[in-house]
Amino acid sequence: QVQLVQSGAEVKKPGASVKVSCKTSGYTFTDKYIHWVRQAPGQGLEWMGWINPNSGGTNYAQKFQGRVTMTRDTSINTAYMELSRLRSDDTALYYCVRDLYSTSAWFDPWGQGTLVTVSS
Amino acid sequence: DIQMTQSPSSLSASVGDRVTITCRASQTISDSLNWYQQRPGKAPRLLIYATYSLQIGVPIRFSGSGSGTDFTLTIDSLQPEDFATYYCQQGYSTPFTFGPGTKVDIK
Repeated sequence: QVQLVQSGAEVKKPGASVKVSCKTSGYTFTDKYIHWVRQAPGQGLEWMGWINPNSGGTNYAQKFQGRVTMTRDTSINTAYMELSRLRSDDTALYYCVRDLYSTSAWFDPWGQGTLVTVSS
Repeated sequence: DIQMTQSPSSLSASVGDRVTITCRASQTISDSLNWYQQRPGKAPRLLIYATYSLQIGVPIRFSGSGSGTDFTLTIDSLQPEDFATYYCQQGYSTPFTFGPGTKVDIK
């Protein structure tokens, strides 16, 4: 079955960077976009951007432009999301999620989430 | 950016009840509206995509309707496992945006 398995929790200081990985299996990695969505504690869901695993092309939400970088390694079917210049309000659960049909923006399935805590 | 609102923000219901959650977009999004369920401590799960289509494995007591700017998620005969938070999401244009969520809890 399709699975997205993310890297473990991270604790970072303000100003640092974090890189989260998302290893996929059960489908052809290059066929479907990967999106990143985050959820602050007790809050709602916020879309950060997508990466096309085939071309490496990306589309970032303007809010994160200049701070986020999404990449992929097709040899190991893994996507990455790096967020730089971390602030306390970046503390959140970060999810990778596959697009159900290439570029439909139907998000399924979701990774288990990676908790990133930003604290001095 | 397209803003999404949901009502109510929370509701209490009993097993067997019919529950309706509404979602409104700040501009027309055609039928590009999806619904997700999130149980406590779990990742969200896609229930319905493109307004009406039920994702594989989702019980048929879930249904969606609407078009343009106004959409509805209906749960017929609420079951114990349905107590969760529900989010709508527009897939019409980036940045893709979610509603603030509707928490369904036990009366």
